[in-house]
Order: sequence, then structure tokens, then C-alpha cells
Amino acid sequence: QQPVQSPQAVILREGEDAVINCSSSKALYSVHWYRQKHGEAPVFLMILLKGGEQKGHEKISASFNEKKQQSSLYLTASQLSYSGTYFCGTDYNNNDMRFGAGTRLTVKP
Amino acid sequence: NAGVTQTPKFRILKIGQSMTLQCTQDMNHNYMYWYRQDPGMGLKLIYYSVGAGITDKGEVPNGYNVSRSTTEDFPLRLELAAPSQTSVYFCASRRTGSNQPQHFGDGTRLSIL
Repeated sequence: QQPVQSPQAVILREGEDAVINCSSSKALYSVHWYRQKHGEAPVFLMILLKGGEQKGHEKISASFNEKKQQSSLYLTASQLSYSGTYFCGTDYNNNDMRFGAGTRLTVKP
Repeated sequence: NAGVTQTPKFRILKIGQSMTLQCTQDMNHNYMYWYRQDPGMGLKLIYYSVGAGITDKGEVPNGYNVSRSTTEDFPLRLELAAPSQTSVYFCASRRTGSNQPQHFGDGTRLSIL
């Protein structure tokens, strides 16, 4: 089962904040977040494991709510370089990985 | 460090032709994956492998075959190309362990006409 991402698209001005959500109907082992620029391969951002931890990467952070089987990616004070499509990947059995449909983020000057 | 290398980068096939997409990694990763990404869409898992000699189906395996005879190589075979297989194909690998990220190759852009 693929995770469900929301919203599908976000348009921001530089300096604004955004939240991207990733939900699963099945119990998760871990959640991965990746960013993909147009015409390029996905690039790893961070991984969250069971336990409700929160992680940060510069001004991008994420949380994992094990009870809700949901992860959220927080982008604060967005920069032009944050533009791209964000994917969450969910790992149900520590083997295969299923990705959401993606959230297209556009940051404008 | 080469990382994950995919060849070819681009290919045009005729309907019914067959081809092999190559993927090799030099990081000694046990886990390897093949995904396809249709325009404007997410990544769909085709096949994955947790080690040499072991492969398993993902979400969309029909029309594809894989093998994993070595740790380094994980080729994807299309036997009878169909227009629905036009896509960008990504290979990825990672170390064993649930906290390990996937490393992606640059992709193969395949068109079937």
C-alpha cells in the first residue's frame, strides 16, 4: 500500500513556512523523506523510525506519529532552493519501500 | 565514489523489442531496488533484492524480470516492450538496517514507440 501525501502542491513566497503530510493505513517501520528536482534523481533528506522522534536538517524538520501512522515534514523560512517535489517513502517490513505520489513545492521570490 | 550507476541514460525501443537496463553499485550495499516514475507521478516499486540470489516483486512487476547474481549488479529486463512501459527508471541501493537511506542512480529515460 502506498502512503498518501497531502497537499498535492504548494506555492510559497520566500520566507514562508509549509507542512507536508504523509499517512499510512498500515503500521510503519520507518518513514523516509526525499526531494526531487525536475529531471534529477531523488535526494535523501531524512529518516524517521518508530518512536515518534523528530529530526532536523537545516530549516527542514520532520516528525513521526506512530499512533496515527503519520509523518509530517516542516519547511521553515523557505528558500528558492527548496523548490521541488517531496516524496515520503514508507517501509512496512524493513525490506521494500513504497513512495507517496509526491508534493510539488514551488517557492517564489 | 561512483555510487549507483545506471546505463543507458536514454533509450528508444520499438514495441515488442527487449532490452536490459543495467544498474551497478560500488558501495557493497545488500539492498537494491528498481522503480519506475511516469511523468508528474511518484515512484512505483518494480522489484527489489535484499542480497545476491534473492529477489522479490514490488507493486508493478508485470512485464519485467530481474536477477541478482552479484552484490554489485541488479539488471532489469524488459522482454516484450509495450508503450505503457515508457517511463523513467531509477535504480537505488542501501545498506542493511531500517535507518539507512536509499541512494539513487541518475535514471534511464525509456521511450517505447
